[in-house]
Amino acid sequence: SQTIHQWPATLVQPVGSPLSLECTVEGTSNPNLYWYRQAAGRGLQLLFYSVGIGQISSEVPQNLSASRPQDRQFILSSKKLLLSDSGFYLCAWSLLGGEQYFGPGTRLTVT
Amino acid sequence: KQEVTQIPAALSVPEGENLVLNCSFTDSAIYNLQWFRQDPGKGLTSLLLIQSSQREQTSGRLNASLDKSSGRSTLYIAASQPGDSATYLCVTNSGAGSYQLTFGKGTKLSVIP
Repeated sequence: SQTIHQWPATLVQPVGSPLSLECTVEGTSNPNLYWYRQAAGRGLQLLFYSVGIGQISSEVPQNLSASRPQDRQFILSSKKLLLSDSGFYLCAWSLLGGEQYFGPGTRLTVT
Repeated sequence: KQEVTQIPAALSVPEGENLVLNCSFTDSAIYNLQWFRQDPGKGLTSLLLIQSSQREQTSGRLNASLDKSSGRSTLYIAASQPGDSATYLCVTNSGAGSYQLTFGKGTKLSVIP
């Protein structure tokens, strides 16, 4: 069966510090991978998606970036965090045209 | 641009009651529609996926319907339980690549024992 992992589960970082969130998927090959952010009181927003290694598409311009160094690994990064980057970050995977399955999420607080 | 609206935003019901959550969307050209459940501080759990060619899907006490022409979907929960308390999200997918999702803001359900 397939599982998706995210870490860390929670993170408190000062403004201007770097960020690295990791997501890995097990039990499937060549999945589509996604990063979402859920800000307080708002819906989910798609940040990045990837259909293959090294292939990243950005949906929203921001100071975040994503990378996919391996087939089942997706990393969300920032060089300098802003207060507005606080939120709940969710990674998800799917096979083409199929259901999306979400990870447990990372709660990021930028202070 | 697709917009997904969920009504009501919050709902409180006594245990054992049957209930319906509503979802409407503006663009009927969807590939599929998915209902998720989100517990506080947790990720999303997929409940039901309805393909555009389907009218409904059932899983246990849950039944989801889809009426593409009217831009509506409903999630029916039978014999509600306190463990059903969560936020329920309706999500449309406008493309086969699964990356054209539009999320509703959710309905927060509280089932009172």
